[in-house]
Amino acid sequence: TQLLEQSPQFLSIQEGENLTVYCNSSSVFSSLQWYRQEPGEGPVLLVTVVTGGEVKKLKRLTFQFGDARKDSSLHITAAQPGDTGLYLCAGNNFNKFYFGSGTKLNVKP
Amino acid sequence: NAGVTQTPKFQVLKTGQSMTLQCAQDMNHEYMSWYRQDPGMGLRLIHYSVGAGITDQGEVPNGYNVSRSTTEDFPLRLLSAAPSQTSVYFCASSMGQNTGELFFGEGSRLTVL
Repeated sequence: TQLLEQSPQFLSIQEGENLTVYCNSSSVFSSLQWYRQEPGEGPVLLVTVVTGGEVKKLKRLTFQFGDARKDSSLHITAAQPGDTGLYLCAGNNFNKFYFGSGTKLNVKP
Repeated sequence: NAGVTQTPKFQVLKTGQSMTLQCAQDMNHEYMSWYRQDPGMGLRLIHYSVGAGITDQGEVPNGYNVSRSTTEDFPLRLLSAAPSQTSVYFCASSMGQNTGELFFGEGSRLTVL
């Protein structure tokens, strides 16, 4: 059973489109992180959110942590082919990181 | 500039064989952890350690052993490999605990026949 459910599982869009990826759980987490993974490599951290309701922006990426600290979203504006990859959310409680199943994003030029 | 180093990158085992996946980090991180990644499952925590001499179980610990005798090294042992342990394994380390960034190795792809 996955503690964190991500949706959608797959997303194929054209360059320039906007998209949102969701990460939902019935559990409360002390922090939530988003990672991006490329084929054959380990995940790399994009952002950490800690406070309920927190919004963080990283260039064209906007991350939000739900008020109850159970869910999060990642919004990408004007997607580019370089955004292609597997996006993973991860919740942390008491030294245990729980990862979502991932969203595989393909941005076509 | 090594970061987290995992060896081997690829390994094929027969059912019942044993092996150790090595993980070393040079960032003086107290926290280290092992994950397995299977298609459609994201990463699942196997074991983790908050410092030398301290280890604890994650979500899927059965069939795996770990030890942490030094800050730098955190090996993962499979005592009797099973086909269900075919997966890609990642080691990760972190400075902090609840908000610390996980730094991952490049992964070890294990196939058990």
